[in-house]
Amino acid sequence: AQTVTQSQPEMSVQEAETVTLSCTYDTSESDYYLFWYKQPPSRQMILVIRQEAYKQQNATENRFSVNFQKAAKSFSLKISDSQLGDAAMYFCAYRSDLGYGGSQGNLIFGKGTKLSVKP
Amino acid sequence: ETGVTQSPTHLIKTRGQQVTLRCSSQSGHNTVSWYQQALGQGPQFIFQYYREEENGRGNFPPRFSGLQFPNYSSELNVNALELDDSALYLCASSRDPTNEKLFFGSGTQLSVL
Repeated sequence: AQTVTQSQPEMSVQEAETVTLSCTYDTSESDYYLFWYKQPPSRQMILVIRQEAYKQQNATENRFSVNFQKAAKSFSLKISDSQLGDAAMYFCAYRSDLGYGGSQGNLIFGKGTKLSVKP
Repeated sequence: ETGVTQSPTHLIKTRGQQVTLRCSSQSGHNTVSWYQQALGQGPQFIFQYYREEENGRGNFPPRFSGLQFPNYSSELNVNALELDDSALYLCASSRDPTNEKLFFGSGTQLSVL
């Protein structure tokens, strides 16, 4: 079974600085997707960034980028120029790429990292 | 384009009771997934519905059941509530069961006393 581990329960960053959130995962599959989701106090899970395992290039979305190390099964999230609105819980998630439907299409989440941004 | 909406936002029940949570999927989406998020944990997959049929289930007992309607809205039913069922229940919809892009609602916070 696949597992996702986030070893940092809490992180703090100064506004405008850069912070990196860690995530490791365990799988025997070769094809899969990795995600970072943000959960603010509104509780809605919001997709931050997505990485396909077959792509060597690291995904980027504006101030958010990942460091995907497939051999090490590591998937960290870097937030540059941190803003007060970035404060939230961040969840790393894994999804198999085994085609249509079933439990294979569901996300497996880590326990999350609470990010605080100091003004 | 409307987002995923869930009702109610909060609910208090007592042990042994039954509860129904509701979810309206995003426009154009035919797949709905339900997740349970206990305090301090990441969400855990309960089950997925596609075109009104259960299309995958996580490690949850049969007292967790669901429905999907022709308009693709969905219900999560939990019978014989236990204290450990207290959690945030999240609904997510997608265009198809591959869940290429999941859109989440804001959840229903269930407290079981």
